[in-house]
Amino acid sequence: DAGITQSPRHKVTETGTPVTLRCHQTENHRYMYWYRQDPGHGLRLIHYSYGVKDTDKGEVSDGYSVSRSKTEDFLLTLESATSSQTSVYFCASHSQHIQPQHFGDGTRLSIL
Amino acid sequence: TQLLEQSPQFLSIQEGENLTVYCNSSSVFSSLQWYRQEPGEGPVLLVTVVTGGEVKKLKRLTFQFGDARKDSSLHITAAQPGDTGLYLCAGLSSNTGKLIFGQGTTLQVKP
Repeated sequence: DAGITQSPRHKVTETGTPVTLRCHQTENHRYMYWYRQDPGHGLRLIHYSYGVKDTDKGEVSDGYSVSRSKTEDFLLTLESATSSQTSVYFCASHSQHIQPQHFGDGTRLSIL
Repeated sequence: TQLLEQSPQFLSIQEGENLTVYCNSSSVFSSLQWYRQEPGEGPVLLVTVVTGGEVKKLKRLTFQFGDARKDSSLHITAAQPGDTGLYLCAGLSSNTGKLIFGQGTTLQVKP
């Protein structure tokens, strides 16, 4: 399996604070993704990256931004967290186009 | 917007029973993947089906891709407690090249 590490694994914060989640992969994968998982919704794509400094929006991108300055790191930022962003966030990556994705173990984020 | 409807959302059965999980869409997908997820972990790929009508078997699990590549099913024979988990289908969109996930099926197999 691809070595994908997400940090932190758990975070509790207050409404209005900035939050950054980190995804680190050691497989030199080109493509990286951020999803959120909520009951009854499966996984929904927030943002994705197809290379260093190349990112694009997914279906639920409002309130989120991303950055990818190195192949191995993909950061997800909530500029001003809201309670609706309480969720479990998953990072995924793969090497070639149209390949199965390898997932991290998730970050459980609670916004009070 | 492409949607993938997965059913049932919850399933609780006794060990030894058979079950089928369905994923349906009105859209055509390039391929369809099935994942299994344990609590506190990320989804792990079980199988990818690519060709319409394709059937793949993984021990007691049988995966089928519909002829029109709009739907898929997962059948588990003689379920065991170790099969307990969340099963997710995901279709690769022909339009965007991105995965569209179903809502997931939470399976509990009681001994």
